[in-house]
Amino acid sequence: AQTVTQSQPEMSVQEAETVTLSCTYDTSESDYYLFWYKQPPSRQMILVIRQEAYKQQNATENRFSVNFQKAAKSFSLKISDSQLGDAAMYFCAYRSGGAQKLVFGQGTRLTINP
Amino acid sequence: DSGVTQTPKHLITATGQRVTLRCSPRSGDLSVYWYQQSLDQGLQFLIQYYNGEERAKGNILERFSAQQFPDLHSELNLSSLELGDSALYFCASSVDLRGTDTQYFGPGTRLTVL
Repeated sequence: AQTVTQSQPEMSVQEAETVTLSCTYDTSESDYYLFWYKQPPSRQMILVIRQEAYKQQNATENRFSVNFQKAAKSFSLKISDSQLGDAAMYFCAYRSGGAQKLVFGQGTRLTINP
Repeated sequence: DSGVTQTPKHLITATGQRVTLRCSPRSGDLSVYWYQQSLDQGLQFLIQYYNGEERAKGNILERFSAQQFPDLHSELNLSSLELGDSALYFCASSVDLRGTDTQYFGPGTRLTVL
């Protein structure tokens, strides 16, 4: 079974600085997708960014980018120019290409210090 | 706003009772997923429906059941409730079953069992 591990339960960063959240996963499949979801205090799950395993280029969405290291099975999220509104729980998730369910990591709580 | 709606937002009930959680997917989405978020288990996939038919099952208890109706809304039924069933229950939807399809989450239903 696939597993997703987020080794940092909590992270903090100064406003306007850059922070990187770590995620590793375990799979024997070659076709899969990786995601970062944000869960602010409202509890809504919001998709931040998505990476297809077959793509070598790292995904980028505005201030959010990933470092996808397929061989190392690592998928970190970099947030540049951190803003107060980025404070949330961040979940890394895996999805097999042959199935639709998401497998989530334990989450990282990100605090932004003004 | 993801376009996925869930009712009710909050539900407080007693042990042994039965409740029904409702989800309306985004317009045009055929696939519905249910997830449970609890403090001890994290975010876990429960069950998936696609165009009215059960597609995949995860860690769903026998006391729980779900269905998707012809208008594509879905209901999650929880019976013989226990204290440990207290959690945030999310519904998500996606257009189809393609690997590229993104799951969009509803705001969740917070269930408290007293």
